[in-house]
Amino acid sequence: QKEVEQDPGPLSVPEGAIVSLNCTYSNSAFQYFMWYRQYSRKGPELLMYTYSSGNKEDGRFTAQVDKSSKYISLFIRDSQPSDSATYLCAMRKGEGSNYKLTFGKGTLLTVNP
Amino acid sequence: EPEVTQTPSHQVTQMGQEVILRCVPISNHLYFYWYRQILGQKVEFLVSFYNNEISEKSEIFDDQFSVERPDGSNFTLKIRSTKLEDSAMYFCASSRDTGELFFGEGSRLTVL
Repeated sequence: QKEVEQDPGPLSVPEGAIVSLNCTYSNSAFQYFMWYRQYSRKGPELLMYTYSSGNKEDGRFTAQVDKSSKYISLFIRDSQPSDSATYLCAMRKGEGSNYKLTFGKGTLLTVNP
Repeated sequence: EPEVTQTPSHQVTQMGQEVILRCVPISNHLYFYWYRQILGQKVEFLVSFYNNEISEKSEIFDDQFSVERPDGSNFTLKIRSTKLEDSAMYFCASSRDTGELFFGEGSRLTVL
């Protein structure tokens, strides 16, 4: 079983839709969870950074972590064409881990005007 | 807004040649990293660097790779003798002690 699994999509939605992106993981040592957005041939851009189980909201983005199920989600409300990108989940272990990240493969999202 | 900068944006090299990729991390960050992404694959960890030494490296980071912080601002990745399979996007990242990693735009390496 892969450490981090992410459905690569592609996912296509109309403008204004609510988007749900998900990752599962197998290693219970992962404690910190991130979502990055990556435009084509660009570097990953940090969107959300979470630690505890529960929800964290930032504007139109909500990150959700369920450690008991080893499942994380990113919700995008009122999606815009500019949200079209690949979304990467990433996670790392606790303190002393040198902040090394393990990434999912990414989900390609297209928001159609 | 401070950012991680990388040069060159694209480098084409012949197999067996040495390549140096350069990065300027965010100025008050303490931890530095190189990741790579082969086309169509996931972003993979190569190496982390803290307090002027390697703190962790992956299996990918073999003797052909080295990193250096030659002065107070630059962080470099050297590949001594490039192989075809080294063709990838190489991302530099940096972080403070919060563990939030910020990535540069990447250097695309093409080995012919």
